[in-house]
Amino acid sequence: NAGVTQTPKFQVLKTGQSMTLQCAQDMNHNSMYWYRQDPGMGLRLIYYSASEGTTDKGEVPNGYNVSRLNKREFSLRLESAAPSQTSVYFCASERGIYGYTFGSGTRLTVV
Amino acid sequence: AQSVTQLGSHVSVSEGALVLLRCNYSSSVPPYLFWYVQYPNQGLQLLLKYTSAATLVKGINGFEAEFKKSETSFHLTKPSAHMSDAAEYFCAVSDNTDKLIFGTGTRLQVFP
Repeated sequence: NAGVTQTPKFQVLKTGQSMTLQCAQDMNHNSMYWYRQDPGMGLRLIYYSASEGTTDKGEVPNGYNVSRLNKREFSLRLESAAPSQTSVYFCASERGIYGYTFGSGTRLTVV
Repeated sequence: AQSVTQLGSHVSVSEGALVLLRCNYSSSVPPYLFWYVQYPNQGLQLLLKYTSAATLVKGINGFEAEFKKSETSFHLTKPSAHMSDAAEYFCAVSDNTDKLIFGTGTRLQVFP
């Protein structure tokens, strides 16, 4: 039972480069989320998808785009990476009232 | 708007001592409340959750939390700390939407 799978686990980008973070879940959940984690700031919601075909902005969406490709997959794209986007990114699934299941994270460094 | 405040970004205890991690919430509707644990370089794992069935909630690894509506609190406790409890702990709240709002976390250190 894989749960929520994120790839890659680590990535170093140069300023201005683009990349896509991948997330897939095998639990048949409708809702999926992208959070970023920064020291002293907890987890902040970037984007979420309540169901296949829908996406909504969270607290910190600027500089990011998302795609809900199907029920299993929810990707996060950085079109032009900036040092301020250095962070640990977590994907999660399941409705908030039931408690999320998290992936293991992607540690991104932008230089 | 819902929010969560975790008092104390760092807590240190001796092995065998009581663990108390504080969480206060703000919500305009009856909340769903959660505690998550994060070990170094790992994702977040659900410790326990409150969904109005009982005010005292028991979780994994000997942790429990009590929902106190009058104090708008959901503090996490464990009677006797173990070295393996050293981690970062996050409190989170949800209203009736899909989203969770997280606190800023409390790092627990356990000394021998």
